[in-house]
Amino acid sequence: SQQGEEDPQALSIQEGENATMNCSYKTSINNLQWYRQNSGRGLVHLILIRSNEREKHSGRLRVTLDTSKKSSSLLITASRAADTASYFCAAVSYNQGGKLIFGQGTELSVKP
Amino acid sequence: EPEVTQTPSHQVTQMGQEVILRCVPISNHLYFYWYRQILGQKVEFLVSFYNNEISEKSEIFDDQFSVERPDGSNFTLKIRSTKLEDSAMYFCASSPEYEQFFGPGTRLTVL
Repeated sequence: SQQGEEDPQALSIQEGENATMNCSYKTSINNLQWYRQNSGRGLVHLILIRSNEREKHSGRLRVTLDTSKKSSSLLITASRAADTASYFCAAVSYNQGGKLIFGQGTELSVKP
Repeated sequence: EPEVTQTPSHQVTQMGQEVILRCVPISNHLYFYWYRQILGQKVEFLVSFYNNEISEKSEIFDDQFSVERPDGSNFTLKIRSTKLEDSAMYFCASSPEYEQFFGPGTRLTVL
């Protein structure tokens, strides 16, 4: 089954605006993680939210989790040109061995 | 800050050749993973490794693939006979428990 499907696939905003990316998943999870990938580079862990948490903050990042709707959102506030990257959510179910199951990602472009 | 390292950064090989991709996980981590990302596609799980054995593998991880932790630091992925469709970025990750920390990747090009 597929996990971690993001929308939108691409998002273009101006510097200073907020960017919201959404993610849906299909089976029960233990946690959901968001990663960032600059073009052609490795994945950088941004934030982890556990299944018993509803919201989590880290700097300009805010993540929500709604397990009843099997969805999560990542909000980046006051975006900067340096935030331009692809953002992926990855769902983790311990009964699936703890592996990360990634979605296709949202390509965020922040224009100066 | 400790980080996962991978070598080489780029490997070019001929179809049918064997390749070994190397990773040095973060030293006190217990769980190790390989993922791959074909150009323009999503990151896919290949295999997880814990306590010196494979804990899970995906359908992609067939008999052509193997992993090894030959000493206390290295974690390798071997592809015995490469195919054109093995061309991808290969990422190693390690984890102390929940969060996974990724290396910069090895770009494998099979000609």
